[in-house]
Amino acid sequence: DAGITQSPRYKITETGRQVTLMCHQTWSHSYMFWYRQDLGHGLRLIYYSAAADITDKGEVPDGYVVSRSKTENFPLTLESATRSQTSVYFCASSARLAGGSYEQYFGPGTRLTVT
Amino acid sequence: KNQVEQSPQSLIILEGKNCTLQCNYTVSPFSNLRWYKQDTGRGPVSLTIMTFSENTKSNGRYTATLDADTKQSSLHITASQLSDSASYICVVSGIGVNNNDMRFGAGTRLTVKP
Repeated sequence: DAGITQSPRYKITETGRQVTLMCHQTWSHSYMFWYRQDLGHGLRLIYYSAAADITDKGEVPDGYVVSRSKTENFPLTLESATRSQTSVYFCASSARLAGGSYEQYFGPGTRLTVT
Repeated sequence: KNQVEQSPQSLIILEGKNCTLQCNYTVSPFSNLRWYKQDTGRGPVSLTIMTFSENTKSNGRYTATLDADTKQSSLHITASQLSDSASYICVVSGIGVNNNDMRFGAGTRLTVKP
């Protein structure tokens, strides 16, 4: 099916481990994003990408690494997981609307627990 | 300080009743304002989007209003259904180099009871 998918949906890892969250979209949208969602906070932008091989930091990038070798994939890596990175992670892709604004389409999320 | 504040944090209503959710923002300059619905365990889904020149936008039983002068928006839900139980997130975009720059509120958790 077309759309945006994330894997895994649930992940438990230990402090200090490296973990990669995958995101795949079938729309060929140029922009892709990674957010984290924590209780009591709005979604916060971790990294975004305007196109393949172009990435940039968002509001909370520390401890995360991204890459985008292909338009459809945008993996997020936690190089050395910490308990503070326990969160729900959402990937999104963006399409330009008539009128010039953008609409973001979100994946189902990955719930990550760091023990 | 969050640039998008939503109230109430949570709300419980009976099926069939109406409700109104509030959003105040300080993002400036302002480009557009969105309301998203997020079901438990799912990603947010767009309900409405309004630019600064629009003051109301409807999507079925959902009606969003915007007062760009007072920097306030509301989402009114008419004749609520059990399926309306979700979090509703207000998102404001500024005008910047990155048209995708969005500021998210923490959301209002709505529970509709039979």
